[in-house]
Amino acid sequence: EVQLVESGGDLVQPGGSLRLSCAVSGFTVSSNYMNWVRQAPGKGLEWVSVIHSGGSTYYADSVKGRFTSSRDNSKNTLYLQMNSLRAEDTAVYYCARETKNSLDYWGQGALVTVSS
Amino acid sequence: DIQMTQSPSSLSASVGDRVTITCRASQSISSYLNWYQQKPGKAPKLLVYVASNLQTGVPSRFSGSGSGTEFTLTISSLQPEDFATYYCQQSFGTPIFTFGPGTKVDI
Repeated sequence: EVQLVESGGDLVQPGGSLRLSCAVSGFTVSSNYMNWVRQAPGKGLEWVSVIHSGGSTYYADSVKGRFTSSRDNSKNTLYLQMNSLRAEDTAVYYCARETKNSLDYWGQGALVTVSS
Repeated sequence: DIQMTQSPSSLSASVGDRVTITCRASQSISSYLNWYQQKPGKAPKLLVYVASNLQTGVPSRFSGSGSGTEFTLTISSLQPEDFATYYCQQSFGTPIFTFGPGTKVDI
């Protein structure tokens, strides 16, 4: 059975840092394209980043230079390191697997709140 | 950047109704269009990929069509469990994806 479980969401002050984790079972993270998508409270979905099976990473302009996606193959886990956090980064963050240019498996989400 | 719009932004319907949601892209995206369903407090669920392909396990009352810049998601006979928000997403601009703003379907 495929499962993606996010963790690490928390309340953080503006300018602070946080690392989200996405522990995967049922498939190999390093063999897939893995995405992060976020959703601000009461708002729509916003694509954040992707890490390709070859290790290339891409980011939305809104987070470029502040967020870094990585993975630990030994733990089959995806990470999102978030630095210089802003109030507008407050959202539920989902990890999702990409297949056939679509996102077919999603985690349950992790809430990140940026506030003083 | 490719921009996505959806219409309507919300609609009210009854069980058994036929419902159609439209998604438009700011430029041609061929058939690189996916549809997702999201219920409150839950993660999105993939319904249709590459414009018209039904994801495994999705009921056949859902269908997708279109190409180029205009796409539709149709629910042939609305069921109680279908009340949710629906998002389109383009993957033509991969690796960068863009979602539409969503269409909320309620009673």
